[in-house]
Amino acid sequence: GAGVSQSPSNKVTEKGKDVELRCDPISGHTALYWYRQRLGQGLEFLIYFQGNSAPDKSGLPSDRFSAERTGESVSTLTIQRTQQEDSAVYLCASRTGLAGSTDTQYFGPGTRLTVL
Amino acid sequence: AQSVTQLGSHVSVSEGALVLLRCNYSSSVPPYLFWYVQYPNQGLQLLLKYTSAATLVKGINGFEAEFKKSETSFHLTKPSAHMSDAAEYFCAVGGTGFQKLVFGTGTRLLVSP
Repeated sequence: GAGVSQSPSNKVTEKGKDVELRCDPISGHTALYWYRQRLGQGLEFLIYFQGNSAPDKSGLPSDRFSAERTGESVSTLTIQRTQQEDSAVYLCASRTGLAGSTDTQYFGPGTRLTVL
Repeated sequence: AQSVTQLGSHVSVSEGALVLLRCNYSSSVPPYLFWYVQYPNQGLQLLLKYTSAATLVKGINGFEAEFKKSETSFHLTKPSAHMSDAAEYFCAVGGTGFQKLVFGTGTRLLVSP
């Protein structure tokens, strides 16, 4: 597709349930990022994938959060046993990922997660 | 470590007035600096970026920003505000390598007629 797409656009779940959020990066982009944006706050880095390298998980807030990426395509962010504090917009971004490049991160529209 | 400080969570201007959104950064390596805009219920869109070339960077929609190393600043300006500029603006800093971006907390720009 022309841009980064994310699904679902909105997700309402009950506390304690698991959720999966999906990101489709721009075709050919080897680098993929997940960020979290809580209401009224900036973006927090969660996790980064680059090609076949081990992902950088340094931003994941707890072991309830995990993410996978299939090759250089779709990524899924999973939150287990959701808590109300997980309510936020989850944003995905991708870039070409050329070594040492300063190319732009392109963002998807986000998934708004509400935990009741 | 890198960090970004955006002064003012809200900035209000009149249509046609100068827009100035402030961003100061901290970085232990030569920084790459970005301004993104977020319209309601949308993702982030890149306005402009500084990548160690010209210190005055021109972006889309008439915005520009100047990198001032001595002041560790990268303020965003636009000579004349339009109603359509009302949005949230984020400054971000990145380094070399995988370029994880560190974002400021954002500034909401309000434009009144």
